[in-house]
Order: sequence, then C-alpha cells, then structure tokens
Amino acid sequence: GAGVSQSPSNKVTEKGKDVELRCDPISGHTALYWYRQSLGQGLEFLIYFQGNSAPDKSGLPSDRFSAERTGGSVSTLTIQRTQQEDSAVYLCASSPQGALAGNTIYFGEGSWLTVV
Amino acid sequence: RKEVEQDPGPFNVPEGATVAFNCTYSNSASQSFFWYRQDCRKEPKLLMSVYSSGNEDGRFTAQLNRASQYISLLIRDSKLSDSATYLCVVGNTGRRALTFGSGTRLQVQP
Repeated sequence: GAGVSQSPSNKVTEKGKDVELRCDPISGHTALYWYRQSLGQGLEFLIYFQGNSAPDKSGLPSDRFSAERTGGSVSTLTIQRTQQEDSAVYLCASSPQGALAGNTIYFGEGSWLTVV
Repeated sequence: RKEVEQDPGPFNVPEGATVAFNCTYSNSASQSFFWYRQDCRKEPKLLMSVYSSGNEDGRFTAQLNRASQYISLLIRDSKLSDSATYLCVVGNTGRRALTFGSGTRLQVQP
C-alpha cells in the first residue's frame, strides 16, 4: 500500500486478555517505530526497529509489552494481560532510514485500544 | 524536565491573524527538528522540517535557535483549516526515535 497500514483499527478487550497489534510499514522503509498516545496526551515512544533488530526498546512500559519485526517489514506489538491504563491509540510509523538521518517519519492511522 | 516542552494552549485566534508557537528542548546534542500537525483523532503528519538557517513554506515559517535551544513556528494569515494541534519534534543523538512534545492546540475562529 501507499502508506503505513495498521490493524485492527479499533479493539475492545477485557482486562487480563492479550492483544496483538499489527503494522505494515511503507514498502522499502527500514526503520519502524511504535508510539502510543493516551487521550489528550502527547506521543509516548515505545520501541524502534532498524530492519529486524530493535536497537531502542527503552520506551516499553513493562514486561507485558513486547514487539517483533520479521522480514524487515511487518511488525507486531503484543500486550499481555492488558490493564485499563493500556487504553490508548497505538501509532506505528516508518521512515526510509533512521530518524537521525533527518528522514521524515510517516504514521499509520493507529490502533485504538480500549481495555474494559 | 521534559525533553521537549510546549505551551499546550489553546491559542484562540481570529482568521487572518498571525500566531507563533515556541518549543524548547533539553538535549543540546539534538540534531534534527520538525513540526508535525495532528488533527483531532487523527495521526500526526509532517508540517515542515526545521533547518538551522530557518525555512519558510507558504504561510508557515520555522526557525531554530541552537544557543537557546528552542524552535519556533510562525503561521501568517491563519485559516480555519489551520485549527489543529502542532507538535514539536526533536531527534536526539543516541536515541534513534524522534521525541515528540505534547503539542500546542490552535483554534482559528471565524
């Protein structure tokens, strides 16, 4: 596709369940990022991938959060044993190279997660 | 102290007004700077990059002051469609991902 694609666009889950969020970056983009944004708040960095490796996972809030990227393309963010404070929109972004190369990053429309 | 700080606003201005936002960053080694725009319940989109010499794109002018560690965005002749949240974004040495400010909300009124 032309842009960053995320699925599901909306997810309502019960507290304690696991969820998987998927991101399909722009074709050819080697860098991939996950951010999350709670209602009315700024963007919180979660993890960054260069290719399939994650040189910066400093933003993952707890060990319930994990992410992987395969084939240098699709990434999956997994949240285990979801809590209500995990409710947010999870935004994936990609860029041709790393952010420090000055490249623009392009966001997907996000996956809106509600934990009830 | 936050890495990137912005006045949350809101800035309420009439159509046609000129409005300016500032943003400060804490890491003096920061290397790349951007302004992104985010509409309500939408994803952020790049508005413009910020270069050391300053740059202009139509009604929008961005400037960088490295000595004082701040970035500014000037919007001239505001339009109703400029109403959005403007995010200041900084790329830091040693961290590969961009750091976003919390945003400044602009409401342009008829």
